Amino acid sequence: QITLKESGPTLVKPTQTLTLTCTFSGFSLSTSGVGVGWIRQPPGKALEWLALIYWDDDKRYSPSLKSRLTITKDTSKNQVVLTMTNMDPVDTATYYCAHRTTVVIYDYWGQGTLVTVSS
Amino acid sequence: QTVVTQEPSLTVSPGGTVTLTCASSTGAVTSGYYPNWFQQKPGQAPRALIYSTSNKHSWTPARFSGSLLGGKAALTLSGVQPEDEAEYYCLLYYGGAQLFGGGTKLTVL
Repeated sequence: QITLKESGPTLVKPTQTLTLTCTFSGFSLSTSGVGVGWIRQPPGKALEWLALIYWDDDKRYSPSLKSRLTITKDTSKNQVVLTMTNMDPVDTATYYCAHRTTVVIYDYWGQGTLVTVSS
Repeated sequence: QTVVTQEPSLTVSPGGTVTLTCASSTGAVTSGYYPNWFQQKPGQAPRALIYSTSNKHSWTPARFSGSLLGGKAALTLSGVQPEDEAEYYCLLYYGGAQLFGGGTKLTVL
């Protein structure tokens, strides 16, 4: 059974750096073809893909946010970490992590965590 | 900047059939964009429905089907149920990066 859960601060101040952790079970990020992605959703708005890391440490980023994002993995802890620098109120959103393989994209999702950016 | 476009809203009667589409600003959507479809209900995380154009997950109801139609990815619901009222998102693959569409709010009325 695959599960994922996001954790991190619920409130950050403008200009701060956000660090979110995705802790998962039921799969290994050392297995060929497996990846974990991050997706966010501002309140009342559409989903936005942010970043993805694969089992071989290949990393992909949204072109519009690439300069602010870093994704890393800790295979031994079954965790993926996303950092986003220079947070702004427009970054207020629910942040999700999701499992994927090379064939099946984002079949399992975490419950999401709401991050509010406000002074 | 690449944009993925969906119908903002559609309305369908219970038992009816409706097709949602997903277009790319780069041109015709092909199987190489590996179209995916997700359903999201208020307060819930998205749920995967279709991957790689037309493949269903084990939990996807039979009334949902995916295809390519007129240069777009398409999601067809046949025999719509009241519980199908939700927001639907497509996702296209652009050689590493991925983009979601703006979503279609489906009303069952």
